[in-house]
Amino acid sequence: QQQVKQSPQSLIVQKGGISIINCAYENTAFDYFPWYQQFPGKGPALLIAIRPDVSEKKEGRFTISFNKSAKQFSLHIMDSQPGDSATYFCAASPNYQLIWGAGTKLIIKP
Amino acid sequence: DAEITQSPRHKITETGRQVTLACHQTWNHNNMFWYRQDLGHGLRLIHYSYGVQDTNKGEVSDGYSVSRSNTEDLPLTLESAASSQTSVYFCASAPGTGTDTQYFGPGTRLTVL
Repeated sequence: QQQVKQSPQSLIVQKGGISIINCAYENTAFDYFPWYQQFPGKGPALLIAIRPDVSEKKEGRFTISFNKSAKQFSLHIMDSQPGDSATYFCAASPNYQLIWGAGTKLIIKP
Repeated sequence: DAEITQSPRHKITETGRQVTLACHQTWNHNNMFWYRQDLGHGLRLIHYSYGVQDTNKGEVSDGYSVSRSNTEDLPLTLESAASSQTSVYFCASAPGTGTDTQYFGPGTRLTVL
C-alpha cells in the first residue's frame, strides 16, 4: 500500500500550546519521513525529516516522533506561535519519490 | 543563489486549448517532479524525471505530458485543457543522490474555463 494517512485535517491551538499532527503508513519499504510546511501562496518547504533508525528527532520547537512497529509518525510543535499557522504535510519516501499525506491546516490563536 | 522558478504564476485558459507550464531550476538537480494541489487531496504526483530524456507517469498523469531535454527544465503540457485540470501546479526538484529532500517552486495557478 502506498498511502500515507494524515490527521487531523484542521487544528486550532492557542498560542503557547502544543500542536500535534499524526501520520500513518502501511508500506514497510518507506525509509524517509519528512514534514513540509506551506504558507498561503507559497510552495511547500522542508521543515524536519527522520529516518526509521531513530525514534525521535528534534529541531528547535519541532519534534518528529517515530513508531516503527505501529507504522506511525507525528509532528509536535512546542510553544506554538501565530507564525506557525500554515498547512503541514507529512510524506514518506520509497526511493526518491514522496508519497504525501492530505495535509493539516494549523491555526494558532493569539 | 540557486533556485527553482515557475511561469506563468497565473494562467486562465479555455477548455480544449493546449497549455504549457514552465519549470526551471538552477541547482543542477537530477530529479524533477510535477504535482497538482487540490483542496482535500494534498499533493498528487503528475509526472517525474530522474534525468535528461527520462520521464515517468505519476498517479494522475492522464491529460498531461512532460519532456526533459536538459537538466534545468521540465515543462508540463496539458494537451487539451479540461475544467477538471483547474488547480495549483507545483514543480519540485531534488538532487537524486544522498537525500530525498524536494525543493518546490512557487506554483502556478491554472484556471480552465
